[in-house]
Amino acid sequence: AQSVTQLGSHVSVSEGALVLLRCNYSSSVPPYLFWYVQYPNQGLQLLLKYTTGATLVKGINGFEAEFKKSETSFHLTKPSAHMSDAAEYFCAVSPQTGANNLFFGTGTRLTVIP
Amino acid sequence: NAGVTQTPKFRVLKTGQSMTLLCAQDMNHEYMYWYRQDPGMGLRLIHYSVGEGTTAKGEVPDGYNVSRLKKQNFLLGLESAAPSQTSVYFCASRIGFLGNQPQHFGDGTRLSIL
Repeated sequence: AQSVTQLGSHVSVSEGALVLLRCNYSSSVPPYLFWYVQYPNQGLQLLLKYTTGATLVKGINGFEAEFKKSETSFHLTKPSAHMSDAAEYFCAVSPQTGANNLFFGTGTRLTVIP
Repeated sequence: NAGVTQTPKFRVLKTGQSMTLLCAQDMNHEYMYWYRQDPGMGLRLIHYSVGEGTTAKGEVPDGYNVSRLKKQNFLLGLESAAPSQTSVYFCASRIGFLGNQPQHFGDGTRLSIL
């Protein structure tokens, strides 16, 4: 069975500081991994994904994430937070076989302090 | 290109009433999904469809029915609404079989059951 754990339901950082949002997954086989962002009153927008190949993936808005199989992690980072990064972030996994449904973490709300 | 469009955007129902949420996508995607989003619980899959005329149950299907009569539309029905169904509902679509392709989300329907 697939599951996703996002440590920290709320994270606050100062503008210009490093953003680190944690995601760990549980799966018997390495899944496909996704990060989505949700701005207030909007749907989810894809930030980045890992499927195969290079374990460090770059996404939109300066975000990147690294797949670490040994740690079953896919943490999201951004070197310098911007006010516009304030949103809720969801990590999701999809098995490589079957209907490939997405399993979401419970989300992390990022606050950026001026 | 509209992507995934959900109607209505907001709705208030009384307990026991019925209603249908409509999801339409113009990307010719095969797979479509209905999720509900509740505070602190992330997104949970209600039902999904892998093609026109097909539907399948997700994680939380009780109290909901779906239909996919046309490829571009995926309807979610509540036959007898209950307060526990107060939530934000998201529709998503994906191009097809390959699980490494992302899901595209609509902006959601905010539903309150009194």
